Order: sequence, then C-alpha cells, then structure tokens
Amino acid sequence: EDQVTQSPEALRLQEGESSSLNCSYTVSGLRGLFWYRQDPGKGPEFLFTLYSAGEEKEKERLKATLTKKESFLHITAPKPEDSATYLCGAAGGTYKYIFGTGTRLKVLA
Amino acid sequence: DVKVTQSSRYLVKRTGEKVFLECVQDMDHENMFWYRQDPGLGLRLIYFSYDVKMKEKGDIPEGYSVSREKKERFSLILESASTNQTSMYLCASRGQSPGNIQYFGAGTRLSVL
Repeated sequence: EDQVTQSPEALRLQEGESSSLNCSYTVSGLRGLFWYRQDPGKGPEFLFTLYSAGEEKEKERLKATLTKKESFLHITAPKPEDSATYLCGAAGGTYKYIFGTGTRLKVLA
Repeated sequence: DVKVTQSSRYLVKRTGEKVFLECVQDMDHENMFWYRQDPGLGLRLIYFSYDVKMKEKGDIPEGYSVSREKKERFSLILESASTNQTSMYLCASRGQSPGNIQYFGAGTRLSVL
C-alpha cells in the first residue's frame, strides 16, 4: 500500500539553528515528490517538486533532496517567519497524491 | 499567477442543512480535488474529478457529493450536514499528468453546530 510518513511531528528550533525534516515514502511508480508549506488557517503553498533520486532544489533557506526511499527538507539558519507546517506528498501512477501528516515547525527568536 | 479560489473562508451551519462549497480555478486544469484536513489525520481525499461531469470517489466520500458542470468549477455538497463534518475543506487543481503540481485554495473552515 502506498504510504508517506513524515518525521518529526513537531520541531522547535532557535533562530539560526539548522535542521532537517524527513519524508519517507513507499509509492509504486513515483511520478513526483512534493513539498508544501502551510500556515495556520490557510491552504498549502507549493514549495518544490522532485522527480528522481539524487535531485536537489533550493529556495532561500530551504533545500529539498530525494533518494529512492525518502526526501529531506533542509532548513539552514531558519528565521521565525519559517514557522509553519511542512507537508510532503507523493504522486504515483494513479490520480491521487499521498500526503504525510506534516511537520509543525516553530522557530524561536 | 496560479489561482484556486474557494468561495468562503468560514462557514457556520446547522445540523441537517444542505451545504455547498464552491471552488474555481483559472489554470484550465483537467483535474480537481476536494480534501478535508483534520488535526493528526492529514489531508484525506473526498472526491476528485478528471473532466467535466466526471467524478471518482476518494478515500472518504460518505456524506458528500460533488458537481462539475464547467471545467473551471468544482462544487462539494454536504447533503445533510452533521457535526462530524466540522473540518477544514481544501480544493485543489492539477494538470493532466500525475507528476504535475497540485495547487490548493485557501480553504474553507466549516463548523456544523
């Protein structure tokens, strides 16, 4: 059965303290691995798509990487405005994405 | 700029009422989706549509129906709202390929009293 698991569930960092969020997936015929940011009470906002193992993408303080079993979202020198829930989703050969339950990130000033 | 617009940000309804949630996308996407999001359960797919008048059940379709009369518009209908349908509802749209990005609306926070 297709599955996406994110860890940790919650993470508290001091401003400037770099860390990584994990997304483990078992999806038949991966067509894409997606990262979203979601602020409280709002819809998910697209961040990155990764399509094949070894691929990396960067945006400001965020870098996403992909292996055959997992993806990482690395946050370098985070700021309080990076506080949000980060969602990982995987697209297989069917119509739907499989989403993880997210990592709630809190960055303290 | 990509846009998925949900008609209401907040709704409060009474048990037994018929509720309509509307979603419009401006990207000419074939696929549109309705999810509900609850703490600890993540995003759960209710229904999706791959073309006008075409729909497929997702993981939790019970108590819901959908309508897609025009390509840009996808409606979620709660035939008789119940308190366990209190949730955040998210609409999304996507191009034809499963590898395309799925874009989300801002969400509708529905409370059923």
